[in-house]
Amino acid sequence: GDSVTQMEGPVTLSEEAFLTINCTYTATGYPSLFWYVQYPGEGLQLLLKATKADDKGSNKGFEATYRKETTSFHLEKGSVQVSDSAVYFCALRGGFKTIFGAGTRLFVKA
Amino acid sequence: GAGVSQSPSNKVTEKGKDVELRCDPISGHTALYWYRQSLGQGLEFLIYFQGNSAPDKSGLPSDRFSAERTGGSVSTLTIQRTQQEDSAVYLCASSAGETGRGNTIYFGEGSWLTVV
Repeated sequence: GDSVTQMEGPVTLSEEAFLTINCTYTATGYPSLFWYVQYPGEGLQLLLKATKADDKGSNKGFEATYRKETTSFHLEKGSVQVSDSAVYFCALRGGFKTIFGAGTRLFVKA
Repeated sequence: GAGVSQSPSNKVTEKGKDVELRCDPISGHTALYWYRQSLGQGLEFLIYFQGNSAPDKSGLPSDRFSAERTGGSVSTLTIQRTQQEDSAVYLCASSAGETGRGNTIYFGEGSWLTVV
């Protein structure tokens, strides 16, 4: 069945460092891909999405490119801030069900 | 409503009691989902509704778990004879429907269940 694998955390970075959180997927067909973020004490919210191969989703300085050839959707940000500290979930949707990865916790130190 | 609304936000119950968790999706959203997030874990899919019907109940962990949706709107997740391993955050989400694979799902803030 469909699945999402993302790098284990926690990831600890200093402010202004470059961030990459790896995400790979297994799916039949052509799923849509998403990154959701969960800030401390808050619910999940959509960060960005891409619906077809080679699409790039971007929001708040984060971006991810849908790579069909490597079945990946890695999340990147050029310069992280303390306020980016959160749990990040990679997800795919091939039909009605959205399947999530286990989440990667990011800590950003001032 | 403006967002997905869940109640209660926090529930502490004794082992063996039944609990009901309520979800009010975004107005007009036909698809509704329940997920469970245990401490330090990812999101576990429980059940999906399209309208009032549930084409996929495969994620319900046991027959103690059931869910219904009425009027194509509010959904209730019921856990009977709760066990300590049921302690988790139960998240409800809704989306505009199946049309368009890129449909975003919007989450409520969750119901934090603690079984003591």
